[in-house]
Formats: sequence, C-alpha cells, structure tokens
Amino acid sequence: ETGVTQTPRHLVMGMTNKKSLKCEQHLGHNAMYWYKQSAKKPLELMFVYNFKEQTENNSVPSRFSPECPNSSHLFLHLHTLQPEDSALYLCASSLNVPGAWTDTQYFGPGTRLTVL
Amino acid sequence: GESVGLHLPTLSVQEGDNSIINCAYSNSASDYFIWYKQESGKGPQFIIDIRSNMDKRQGQRVTVLLNKTVKHLSLQIAATQPGDSAVYFCAEAGNSGGSNYKLTFGKGTLLTVNP
Repeated sequence: ETGVTQTPRHLVMGMTNKKSLKCEQHLGHNAMYWYKQSAKKPLELMFVYNFKEQTENNSVPSRFSPECPNSSHLFLHLHTLQPEDSALYLCASSLNVPGAWTDTQYFGPGTRLTVL
Repeated sequence: GESVGLHLPTLSVQEGDNSIINCAYSNSASDYFIWYKQESGKGPQFIIDIRSNMDKRQGQRVTVLLNKTVKHLSLQIAATQPGDSAVYFCAEAGNSGGSNYKLTFGKGTLLTVNP
C-alpha cells in the first residue's frame, strides 16, 4: 500500500447525478493532486493543492469541483458529467508541491468512474 | 519506447530474462525523471527516480539509465518475474519556462512476462 486511499473504487453514475470521490493520505504530505487517466492516454493533471490551497487548475470543466478541507483529505465533487468523463481518477500526494524542485508523487488506487 | 499514436507499446519477455523499457522525453530543461509501474486495477507505483546530475541509478533488480544528449531514459529489470507484468511509464519534471515544475507523464509500455 502506498499510504494513499481512495473511495469508492468503482462508481457508475448518470449524467444528472451528483457524486463525490474521496482521497486520504497517511504520509504527512502537504501537496495533493487529482489526475484523470483515460484509456491509452497519458495521465492528465487536473488540480493541485498545497496546504489546503488550490495552486493549479489545469483548465478543468466546472462540472468537476475539488475540495481540500485539510492536508490529508481531498475530494472531487462531480455533477452533470458527460460519458466522455468516464475514466480512472487518481489521487496523489507529495511532500511538497512542485516549485523549484519536485518530490515524488505517491498514488492511490484510483476510482474507476463510468458515466452513463 | 513511448508511443506517439494511440497504441500502447508492448514488450513480451520470458521469465528470468532481462527487460529494457525505453522512454524518450522532449523537454531539454527536464532534470528529474521517475519510473512508475501500474498493475491492472491499481494506481501507479513509484519504482525509481533519477536526477539529471546522474546517468545511472540502481535499485533492487532495477536500473535506470539517463542519456541527456539524446533525451532518452531506460528502465532495466533484471531476472524479470511474472509479477513484473504491468504498464510502465516514465515521468519527467522540469521548469518549462514558468515558475514551477511540471510533472509530465508518458503513455507507457505494457510489459508481459511469459512463464
């Protein structure tokens, strides 16, 4: 185990539903990330949080809404998604947010999301 | 090596053989490189990293080689085992002209180990 947990592991939702993905890290890290992994595509960075503050939004549609109440927890709230949003959503954490240096990012197991 | 199209490169090896997985990167300013392993149904798992002031780094059964001249990275797995079957992808980090590092991931190579 990497010390990063995600729930649920699988989620099926309709386009009108509202759901949330949860991530928790037990590593004492300060930075947390959301990534999207689609089939046969590289990992796409969505959001970066540093000490609970959002430091990066990689042009993500507003139907994805992140929330970081503290350095250990990260949520991704989903509403009115599209079928093309179906993917594996990965959470990661690192000791510090990339700046003049970068720390290794440790990933959770992901949530497999299917939008019908 | 890394794919530039939709197909994931594949490498098939016999158990016990050595495996070499390649990665080409494009940013000459990248100075930190990571290899990840992703098994089916799991998140990426850190394997080994290397900074640009080195050209070789060894771990347990794995070696990463960095050739900055041709912007090439490779992962060597010694005595490959069935449990090594997974998608392997590299990531590079560097300052692309902005103020912060960006970690950029490759598409990955599917390694299949035949018993």
